[in-house]
Amino acid sequence: DIQMTQSPSSLSASVGDRVTITCRASQVINNYLAWFQQQPGKAPRPLIYAASSLQSGVPSKFSGSGSGTDFTLTISSLQPEDFATYYCQQYNSYPMTFGQGTRLEIK
Amino acid sequence: QVQLVQSGAEVKKPGASVKVSCKASGYTFSTSAMHWVRQRPGQRPEWMGWINAGHSNTKYSENFQGRVTITWDTAASTAYMELSSLRSEDTAVYYCAKAYCSSSTTCYEPNFWGQGTLVTVSS
Repeated sequence: DIQMTQSPSSLSASVGDRVTITCRASQVINNYLAWFQQQPGKAPRPLIYAASSLQSGVPSKFSGSGSGTDFTLTISSLQPEDFATYYCQQYNSYPMTFGQGTRLEIK
Repeated sequence: QVQLVQSGAEVKKPGASVKVSCKASGYTFSTSAMHWVRQRPGQRPEWMGWINAGHSNTKYSENFQGRVTITWDTAASTAYMELSSLRSEDTAVYYCAKAYCSSSTTCYEPNFWGQGTLVTVSS
């Protein structure tokens, strides 16, 4: 299985800040990388697909980049509703696998 | 609009099976798959498998040792996920999530999720 490792595992930031979360794959995944946001008790919300494309309806404050094995999610101008857990997922090969999550907390 | 409505919470005993349903509407099924993903308490999501609704072919994670069966009822526009030989470690929220497929065997990331179904396994 491809291992997905996110860093940091938790992150404190203030409203208005810009933050970046990193996701590293144990093998090349050909940009088949998605990002999700999850609020407590809710289903994951898709944000990014193909490493850098925004899902429909997702604001442009979210952006993704990277290729090969190293990817990033950047969130600009943090608002209270952005404080959540973020997961990356590779869908290049089976089984599809997720990172361990990055918990974004209000400072 | 796209909707995925899952069945209600279940409580099962070890060794039993559970079948969770996911009724879909608002999109084209012939070019879509339904993923099933579970999330144990405090853990990362775990992919279980998908079914291509247009072709009824499936792909499963080998990590479930053949205990998962995913089906699609075209007439009811509903996907089902059955997990057998339940053990306490299967206690989790189970999600269905749709995806686009470019062929019968190539399907992509989940782009819309159901609300989740809590399955509790306890003696």
